[in-house]
Amino acid sequence: QVQLQESGPGLVKPSETLSLTCTVSDASFKSYYWSWIRQPPGKGLQWIGFIYYSGTTTYNPSLKSRLTISVDTSKNQFSLKLRSVTTADAAVYYCARGIPRSVDGTWVVDRLDYWGQGTLVTVSS
Amino acid sequence: QSALTQPPSASGSPGQSVAISCTGTSRDVGGYNYVSWYQQHPGKAPKLMIYEVSKRPSGVPDRFSGSKSGNTASLTVSGLQAEDEADYYCSSYAGGNNFDVFGTGTKVTVL
Repeated sequence: QVQLQESGPGLVKPSETLSLTCTVSDASFKSYYWSWIRQPPGKGLQWIGFIYYSGTTTYNPSLKSRLTISVDTSKNQFSLKLRSVTTADAAVYYCARGIPRSVDGTWVVDRLDYWGQGTLVTVSS
Repeated sequence: QSALTQPPSASGSPGQSVAISCTGTSRDVGGYNYVSWYQQHPGKAPKLMIYEVSKRPSGVPDRFSGSKSGNTASLTVSGLQAEDEADYYCSSYAGGNNFDVFGTGTKVTVL
């Protein structure tokens, strides 16, 4: 059974860096795209980005300048760092498994089939 | 990329059907057959219900079906049950930045 679990601080100060890790129990870790999605309280879902086991990443353009997603295949983990956070970054952060698909010669996420339970991150001084 | 447009709410009585639309552009919904639908109950993570416009993952009841016409995709829930009351989000590949975009979300109420 595939399981994902987010971990990290639930409170981050404005202008500081939000750091989260997702630990994955999946024997086929190298076969999927590992994704981050967030949901501000009472609002909709927003893609953050995804990473392949090789380290190849795709980021949401609106977050790209502040974002780093990394992977540690020895631990079946991938991580998110979002710099210079503001109150607009407060959200439930989900990690999820993405099924890869080739579209127009580029590998992208087809769908997200397994999700973590989510972790609430508050931005406040 | 702008979010795909969904109606804020939809409702139906038990046993009835409800359809939710997801409107995009030719650069996303209309340009690719990579539309997914997710169900989210309060306080829970989203769950994949439909992918590639009309395919159902294993374990999803066949009461859930998807379709697409032009720039608009639709999710239909037939034979509504109390447990279908949830928020539903569509998602589509959007080319360009090799990224997907989510819809604005629809709250389905079972009357």
